[in-house]
Amino acid sequence: NAGVTQTPKFQVLKTGQSMTLQCAQDMNHNSMYWYRQDPGMGLRLIYYSASEGTTDKGEVPNGYNVSRLNKREFSLRLESAAPSQTSVYFCASSAQGATDTQYFGPGTRLTVL
Amino acid sequence: DAKTTQPTSMDCAEGRAANLPCNHSTISGNEYVYWYRQIHSQGPQYIIHGLKNNETNEMASLIITEDRKSSTLILPHATLRDTAVYYCIVRDYRDDKIIFGKGTRLHILP
Repeated sequence: NAGVTQTPKFQVLKTGQSMTLQCAQDMNHNSMYWYRQDPGMGLRLIYYSASEGTTDKGEVPNGYNVSRLNKREFSLRLESAAPSQTSVYFCASSAQGATDTQYFGPGTRLTVL
Repeated sequence: DAKTTQPTSMDCAEGRAANLPCNHSTISGNEYVYWYRQIHSQGPQYIIHGLKNNETNEMASLIITEDRKSSTLILPHATLRDTAVYYCIVRDYRDDKIIFGKGTRLHILP
């Protein structure tokens, strides 16, 4: 039982390049989330998916797209990376319900030059 | 926007109880109080949550005031490994998303 896994762990991009961050969970959770965390700041929600086939915008969705490929996987795509997207990206999942909690992955450190 | 207010940072001596306050004066009846912590640059870790009753688990205790406008997370015997940023979050049970604020940076002093 690996929990929430993210790939890659580190990535360096040049401005304008594209890439996809991968996230998978093996806990049979319905909901999945993408957050970003800038240095010294709290987490900000980018997108989330309440169930397979649905996605919704969070606090800071601009510049990102997401795909809920199946129940296990939720990917985050940067179509044209910008230096302002340099951040640590965390994926999380949770079962649905009134008292469910989120489980977080180890994060992906992205630098855009 | 986050619906909670927390001190930016706090210190606590090792072995003592760490009491972390959180204000959530606009909390509604559908909203739970959750606490997470983030150690160094790891992903956040769930600690505890509650609606209106006090809660305790193996990690911590959560004290919610009767009017539910504030709460306190208590780490009964703080260790150096409890040094982290602690996030107090108010979450509507009908809402799938969680909004994090800036949290409290807790320093445990040897």
